[in-house]
Amino acid sequence: LAKTTQPISMDSYEGQEVNITCSHNNIATNDYITWYQQFPSQGPRFIIQGYKTKVTNEVASLFIPADRKSSTLSLPRVSLSDTAVYYCLVGAPDSNYQLIWGAGTKLIIKP
Amino acid sequence: DSGVTQTPKHLITATGQRVTLRCSPRSGDLSVYWYQQSLDQGLQFLIQYYNGEERAKGNILERFSAQQFPDLHSELNLSSLELGDSALYFCASSTRQGNTEAFFGQGTRLTVV
Repeated sequence: LAKTTQPISMDSYEGQEVNITCSHNNIATNDYITWYQQFPSQGPRFIIQGYKTKVTNEVASLFIPADRKSSTLSLPRVSLSDTAVYYCLVGAPDSNYQLIWGAGTKLIIKP
Repeated sequence: DSGVTQTPKHLITATGQRVTLRCSPRSGDLSVYWYQQSLDQGLQFLIQYYNGEERAKGNILERFSAQQFPDLHSELNLSSLELGDSALYFCASSTRQGNTEAFFGQGTRLTVV
């Protein structure tokens, strides 16, 4: 199982770009990288998923280098409402083993 | 709204009791996952069903059981409840199994007193 390592917490300010890096040294060939966001007492919400290079959607961008041993979630121009816990997960679609949810990164946005 | 419905939203019960949590997945989703999240902790995977069959099991206690019915809704049964079982229980659904976009419900907050 590919384990991920993320910073426990990060601070930033409104209007800044925030980059959260996740390390996954044992990523397998079929694994994808997925990021979720969770607000207190709410279920996690899917943000973005990618396999290699760069993926962008209306919420975030995901950068994955060629060796795929790490990935970076980029949140452009954050606001106070982006304060949440962000989880990085690695695994293969249609796999029978389950994703391991770590402690995530607690992102605090200040005014 | 994720499309995943969990009931009840809140549940308070005494130690030793048994409760049933219910989950209705998004329309068309075949996979249902159950997670436990204690205060300020990460999500602990409990169990997954795919189209009615158990597909993966995590750290689910023997006192806990689950099933997925033909209409794809799922129930998580928790028995002989202990104070330490107090937590948020989330259900998620997805179209496939494995690492794919999963949609989470709002959770059931269980308090054991």
